[in-house]
Amino acid sequence: QSALTQPASVSGSPGQSITISCTGTSSDVGSYNLVSWYQQHPGKAPKLMIYEVSKRPSGVSNRFSGSKSGNTASLTISGLQAEDEADYYCCSYAGSITYVVFGGGTKLTVL
Amino acid sequence: QITLKVSGPTLVKPTQTLTLTCTFSGFSLSTSAEGVGWIRQPPGKALEWLALIYWDDDKRYSQSLKSRLTITKDTSKNQVVLTMTNMDLVDTATYYCAHRTPVNAFDIWGQGTMVTVSS
Repeated sequence: QSALTQPASVSGSPGQSITISCTGTSSDVGSYNLVSWYQQHPGKAPKLMIYEVSKRPSGVSNRFSGSKSGNTASLTISGLQAEDEADYYCCSYAGSITYVVFGGGTKLTVL
Repeated sequence: QITLKVSGPTLVKPTQTLTLTCTFSGFSLSTSAEGVGWIRQPPGKALEWLALIYWDDDKRYSQSLKSRLTITKDTSKNQVVLTMTNMDLVDTATYYCAHRTPVNAFDIWGQGTMVTVSS
């Protein structure tokens, strides 16, 4: 069982927006603005999409945005495109002992 | 440009020790704030963080696997080595190494290597 809770699947039609939630605790997501999001296509390595809750690395589309409220972080993808179909994982710093926790992953289907 | 590549065995037997090497370029682990981490992913399952090592030799481990893991670095070779003892069938997974940014994100990942544990 993963430390961070994500919905197993979400879906949307091209052009629509979707949001993936990532629920942790006051020991990880709730205490640090160090949440990151990763996109993983089948058979490929994960790709960093969001870091520090809401920052985008160079080259990542501005259709991807992140936010956080309390113990829950969220990834929003607007203007869905077929290429966005992938698995998405959240990750958080969790203090000096546990250190890093990942979510269980969410499969995004573009209908 | 940062790149990382994992090398090691594709098949290990139960109870054996797994040794994986991450060879990287584009940064130095002698530079302040740099780090390299290991993450694994069993087939069809989620990512699981294993270990991290930083430029100053600070080492961090997954609490659930800490007793079985050792992470080391060879700065002169630009390599990070992960050893995992007492391998079990449930350790079958793709093992990735990744560059760790100063803001606690894995920004560049290696291609990963699939390790199967089987007798």
